[in-house]
Amino acid sequence: EPEVTQTPSHQVTQMGQEVILRCVPISNHLYFYWYRQILGQKVEFLVSFYNNEISEKSEIFDDQFSVERPDGSNFTLKIRSTKLEDSAMYFCASSSEGHLDYTFGSGTRLTVV
Amino acid sequence: KQEVTQIPAALSVPEGENLVLNCSFTDSAIYNLQWFRQDPGKGLTSLLLIQSSQREQTSGRLNASLDKSSGRSTLYIAASQPGDSATYLCAVPWEGGATNKLIFGTGTLLAVQP
Repeated sequence: EPEVTQTPSHQVTQMGQEVILRCVPISNHLYFYWYRQILGQKVEFLVSFYNNEISEKSEIFDDQFSVERPDGSNFTLKIRSTKLEDSAMYFCASSSEGHLDYTFGSGTRLTVV
Repeated sequence: KQEVTQIPAALSVPEGENLVLNCSFTDSAIYNLQWFRQDPGKGLTSLLLIQSSQREQTSGRLNASLDKSSGRSTLYIAASQPGDSATYLCAVPWEGGATNKLIFGTGTLLAVQP
């Protein structure tokens, strides 16, 4: 069964450092997403990406965040200057037209120290 | 603004029991609802997706129902097993914006005791 793959599974970084979280969505999917889940809280939408551009972003997704699809397979989330409150599990997801096959990756646990 | 709530927040049952998890949403203009399973520290696994035209969807021991008019969905788990222990999340798509973002509930943490 097709999978969304995320790397790394766990990343520890110092406050103020830049991190890049990587995702390989399902190959024939057109829509790509990042969500995050702070420990003990709800899964929250961050950003969606379609046709090589951001289609929607939440108020969480401020100027320190950016997304990119650098080639035909990868989808990345960059956090420019990490803060302690960025510590969370970050999930990548993808879907095709109709969105009946919304698939999540296994997540990257980001710990900012 | 769509809000999704799940009750109970936590549930502990002995093995073999049938159980019901509840999900409610404030805006009934949804076109589907999904139930996910999340194991500790892991990703989200889609269990069932019910489209707005359906009232029920079944997969093995799982049955999900949807009542759009009352803003409710239930996930029924038959003959529960210790391996069912996980957090169960419901989510609805919200097209208040331009895309199909999902709005998640708070989750129900299920523990099935052997």
